[in-house]
Amino acid sequence: SYVLTQPPSVSVAPGQTARITCGGNNIGGKSVHWYQQKPGQAPVLVVYDDRDRPSGIPERFSGSNSGNTATLTISRVEAGDEADYHCQVWDNTRDHWVFGGGTKLTVL
Amino acid sequence: QVQLVESGGGVIPPGGSLRLSCAASGFMFSSYGIHWVRQAPGKGLEWVALISHDGSNTYYADSVKGRFTISRDNSKNTLYLQMNSLRAEDTAVYYCAKEAGLYDFWSGYFQSWGLGTLVTVSS
Repeated sequence: SYVLTQPPSVSVAPGQTARITCGGNNIGGKSVHWYQQKPGQAPVLVVYDDRDRPSGIPERFSGSNSGNTATLTISRVEAGDEADYHCQVWDNTRDHWVFGGGTKLTVL
Repeated sequence: QVQLVESGGGVIPPGGSLRLSCAASGFMFSSYGIHWVRQAPGKGLEWVALISHDGSNTYYADSVKGRFTISRDNSKNTLYLQMNSLRAEDTAVYYCAKEAGLYDFWSGYFQSWGLGTLVTVSS
């Protein structure tokens, strides 16, 4: 089965740039989606199809995907961005939907 | 505005059964596939199952195949998850999540989520 690997945690100071990675075998050939989840809340889609943002998501959130790594980049990080971030792909060879283990973003 | 409201969670002993429901509103329910996704306490997200817009196709994670059944009633705008032979490792918050793609043109991602319902499998 397809496996996605995320770092357990990332820390960044306010105003700086956070980069959260998602590794997978030739993940660049798949569409990657990212979700933000704050404590006690449901996940919220923040980036889909590698780099597109749903309406209402700030431009500070961006995505990229190439080779074996996809990256969610959050510019000018704010305290309100502190959350867990999950990457996800659709393994269409098996019709299974796969998540990474999640990354806890801490704003120092 | 899309709204998904899960219900039916609770405490159930190992080996027991439980049926979850997900009431949908704010969109044409019969036009979209709907997923169940779960999250064990302190853990990441795990996809559980998908049902196509008309209920004709269903897909399951290996961890629940043969024990869980996803179904829907488009006349009631409601999704279900029948869970049998429950195990301690099934303990989780269960979310229903709407597919972004129309009919069977799946987008591959989860556009909208409910708030979830907690299932605890314990004696």
